[in-house]
Formats: sequence, C-alpha cells, structure tokens
Amino acid sequence: DTAVSQTPKYLVTQMGNDKSIKCEQNLGHDTMYWYKQDSKKFLKIMFSYNNKELIINETVPNRFSPKSPDKAHLNLHINSLELGDSAVYFCASSQDLGGSNYQETQYFGPGTRLLVL
Amino acid sequence: KQEVTQIPAALSVPEGENLVLNCSFTDSAIYNLQWFRQDPGKGLTSLLLIQSSQREQTSGRLNASLDKSSGRSTLYIAASQPGDSATYLCAVRPYGQNFVFGPGTRLSVLP
Repeated sequence: DTAVSQTPKYLVTQMGNDKSIKCEQNLGHDTMYWYKQDSKKFLKIMFSYNNKELIINETVPNRFSPKSPDKAHLNLHINSLELGDSAVYFCASSQDLGGSNYQETQYFGPGTRLLVL
Repeated sequence: KQEVTQIPAALSVPEGENLVLNCSFTDSAIYNLQWFRQDPGKGLTSLLLIQSSQREQTSGRLNASLDKSSGRSTLYIAASQPGDSATYLCAVRPYGQNFVFGPGTRLSVLP
C-alpha cells in the first residue's frame, strides 16, 4: 500500500484557472506538509499542518490555500494560476512536529507535476 | 535566516568506492537534520534523521554525522553501488521554523 499518495500525477492547465491537488497518508501521522520543487530542483516548504494548526511559509502567495478535512488528508488549492506556479508539488507526512526528540522523519508522496500554459 | 548548502553539487565515482557528501548550515539552533535521496522523477526517501542531541546515525552502508557547533553534517556511503545513483538532499529543522532544504548533490556511481 502506498504510504503517501497524491492525485493527480500530472496537471496541465491554463493561466488563470483554479486547481486542486489531493494528498492522503495512511501512516496515522499527525503532521502533513506541502513542498514546491522548481525547475532548478530546489525544494521549498510551503505549509506544515499539525493537529489542525497551520504553519505557513511567509513567502507563499495567498492564492495557495491548504485544506485538511481530516488528519489523513491535506489538499492544496491554487487560485488564479500563474506561469511561475509550474513546478512539482510534493506532499509529505511525519508522525510528529514538535522539535527535539519528536519523530519528524518525513515520508514523501510521488509528486504532482503542474504545468501552467 | 537559515541557509543550507551542499558540496559537491555533483559527484561521479566508480563502483565500490567509499564517498562523503557534505552539508553545511548557517544557524546551529536546529532540532534535527535529515538526509534524503531523490531518484529522477520520484519523491524523496528519508535515509537518516539525526536529532540535535545526537552525533551520528547509521543505516546499513550509510553513516551520517552531525556537528552542530560548526554547522556541518556529512553522509558517508560505503562500498558504493550503481543503485546508489540519485540526488542526495539534506534538510534542517530550525527552532520555530519549517524545514529548510539544501540544493542537493547529484551522485553517479559508474559500474
């Protein structure tokens, strides 16, 4: 069974559209994350979500909004897509998010390749 | 602001060699450091996590060390194999912040 899954795997859309990417983890983890990997392969965290607390990276535009219906799911909704949003988006999860001696080993999904035309 | 760098950016070695990948971070106030591998077109796989109170972690042919005071970590791979070819990333978890990743080292192990 896939531990962290994402859908869709590929997403091609026009500028200005609104789209969502879904993420599910079956590991029983309390914490989930969204990352963006740009064309230069640089990985940057967008959000972490732990027990209904959202920690937002301040550089993320407010067109991006995470939605967590329950602990096993963290979806990413993107409004008014722009060309610069083209990237690979990774979802991840960890057991805890609490700092020292907490189990923050992360498990990543396979990624969603978004292309905005 | 925490910054993470990795040296070298790319590395090519013959099969069987032992090798060391380096990771440096600017602020020693971290909870932990993790090493990941990423295969082309795939997600990341966690290799090792070192808590701030630890000096090293080992898993099979991999050994990761952490020197918080100098802001450095190394990933040692023994007896490299072609299947080790991938991009290796390190990430730190600074106090009160989200994870910060390095740019990665692209490793090629030649048969």
